[in-house]
Amino acid sequence: TQLLEQSPQFLSIQEGENLTVYCNSSSVFSSLQWYRQEPGEGPVLLVTVVTGGEVKKLKRLTFQFGDARKDSSLHITAAQPGDTGLYLCAGFSNSGYALNFGKGTSLLVTP
Amino acid sequence: EAGVVQSPRYKIIEKKQPVAFWCNPISGHNTLYWYRQNLGQGPELLIRYENEEAVDDSQLPKDRFSAERLKGVDSTLKIQPAELGDSAVYLCASSLGTRRPQAFFGQGTRLTVV
Repeated sequence: TQLLEQSPQFLSIQEGENLTVYCNSSSVFSSLQWYRQEPGEGPVLLVTVVTGGEVKKLKRLTFQFGDARKDSSLHITAAQPGDTGLYLCAGFSNSGYALNFGKGTSLLVTP
Repeated sequence: EAGVVQSPRYKIIEKKQPVAFWCNPISGHNTLYWYRQNLGQGPELLIRYENEEAVDDSQLPKDRFSAERLKGVDSTLKIQPAELGDSAVYLCASSLGTRRPQAFFGQGTRLTVV
């Protein structure tokens, strides 16, 4: 199993602040996905990054895949209370079928 | 379109008792996953099905856990006997059988073993 390490584990910020969370591995992934999970719900896909160096934007969220495809970051600009949740990165094995998750970053945005 | 449906949402059982979880994936999705998620942690894959075939069950504790996916649609995950450490949320997800698919998750079953 290819391991994904996420940091920080917990993050508590005030509304309007910017933040970055990280997903790192010693393994190369064919692609990475980011999910957000709210309490009592299953994870929901935010984005899939495939190409090394790729940057994708989703409103105030910016996702980047490392050049070597071993790491990824999620940057949130002007965080809102609605951004609160558990952010999970997940990587596909070389086969492209097995999806393995990191332990997540728990984000709390207070008004 | 209906999403992934899991039942029950919550289950409380005494240790050493059996328990079963049920999952109905999105229609047409041939890949089905069962994950276990401990509080504040990421989901851990237990088993992955391609149609009715279990193609990855290396993380399934086979001494007490079993799963089946009859006719390649619905799936059940069973624990017998349950232990205190099995308390967790059990998530089911499904996807189309393509490379790098989008996995759609159900709401999960929260199991508490007392």
